Amino acid sequence: AQSVAQPEDQVNVAEGNPLTVKCTYSVSGNPYLFWYVQYPNRGLQFLLKYITGDNLVKGSYGFEAEFNKSQTSFHLKKPSALVSDSALYFCAVSSPGYSSASKIIFGSGTRLSIRP
Amino acid sequence: DAGITQSPRHKVTETGTPVTLRCHQTENHRYMYWYRQDPGHGLRLIHYSYGVKDTDKGEVSDGYSVSRSKTEDFLLTLESATSSQTSVYFCAISEDSVGYNSPLHFGNGTRLTVT
Repeated sequence: AQSVAQPEDQVNVAEGNPLTVKCTYSVSGNPYLFWYVQYPNRGLQFLLKYITGDNLVKGSYGFEAEFNKSQTSFHLKKPSALVSDSALYFCAVSSPGYSSASKIIFGSGTRLSIRP
Repeated sequence: DAGITQSPRHKVTETGTPVTLRCHQTENHRYMYWYRQDPGHGLRLIHYSYGVKDTDKGEVSDGYSVSRSKTEDFLLTLESATSSQTSVYFCAISEDSVGYNSPLHFGNGTRLTVT
């Protein structure tokens, strides 16, 4: 079965500092990996994805994520945090080799809080 | 935002009553999903659809049923609501089942309270 873990419920960072939100996954076959962001009272919004190719992928709002196959990780990063980055972040995984349900599985979410 | 509308946005209902939530899309995407969001659990898949009249169960399908009679509409029904079904429900759509061609696009959710 495929799964995804976000080990931190909350991450606190000062504005202007770099941020990292962690994600690890387990999947049979090649993973498709995603990051989504959720602002209050809204649905999730897509940030970026890794399908194949360069291990460092860039997405919306200055975010990037690094795929590490040996560590089965896909951590979200940003060089300089903004207060407006404060939100709930979800990592998700799927796989073309996942035969039975073809679905995208989400982690439990990490709340990112950026203090001025 | 992608053309996804969920209705109602908020609903309060009593234990034992049937409830139907609606998801309407204007993107003509093949795949539609119902997730529930609960603190500490993230998003969990309830049911999904891969075409008109083609649906399958997700990881938390007990107590829920779905129907898709048209490409654009995906209905989620709680046959007899229970307090454990108090949650925020999200509909999502995608072009393919694994997000290769396009990621999931979400509606703004329905907050359901079962008293």
